[in-house]
Amino acid sequence: EAGVTQFPSHSVIEKGQTVTLRCDPISGHDNLYWYRRVMGKEIKFLLHFVKESKQDESGMPNNRFLAERTGGTYSTLKVQPAELEDSGVYFCASSPTGLKLFFGSGTQLSVL
Amino acid sequence: RKEVEQDPGPFNVPEGATVAFNCTYSNSASQSFFWYRQDCRKEPKLLMSVYSSGNEDGRFTAQLNRASQYISLLIRDSKLSDSATYLCAVNMGPGGSYIPTFGRGTSLIVHP
Repeated sequence: EAGVTQFPSHSVIEKGQTVTLRCDPISGHDNLYWYRRVMGKEIKFLLHFVKESKQDESGMPNNRFLAERTGGTYSTLKVQPAELEDSGVYFCASSPTGLKLFFGSGTQLSVL
Repeated sequence: RKEVEQDPGPFNVPEGATVAFNCTYSNSASQSFFWYRQDCRKEPKLLMSVYSSGNEDGRFTAQLNRASQYISLLIRDSKLSDSATYLCAVNMGPGGSYIPTFGRGTSLIVHP
């Protein structure tokens, strides 16, 4: 069974540019989460989808971040325009029940 | 006060040692608890759930103390391969978000 896949694995962009991260959850997992880890800090929640609906986006830092989940399958997280403080590792996780999470390998985003 | 707190360590122990980590949580309505393991530059992976009565998986024992609002992870007979960061995750209960919330992680280094 394929795990959670994320693309790209690394992205280096300049401040002001746009970046789109993609996550393909495990097939059949209705719950999809985005988290971000900034160096030296905890993994912080960004938002939660159940199928195609946003259940909780309380962790989204500001309106420069836009997440979508087309048809309840894969999800994208767009940052526009990117700022220096957006740098970090963005993890996607999926879950059948909302309890145990299965993580993707993350996207390392560097904003210069 | 942070929702989930862990001593970041590092815990530096010799092979064969027993080591224990604690994780405290602030929301008394929390219902589900987990330990994840994260290797350097990798994604977190579920290690074990934590049940009210305590549970064991090989050399790993997890316990929950609801009165004091903490969970613990005990590793017996440490192996070099146990070196990693151990993250606790707490799912808040009714009246709050069911979003898995992570601690900062405790770093374990097992040396020969």
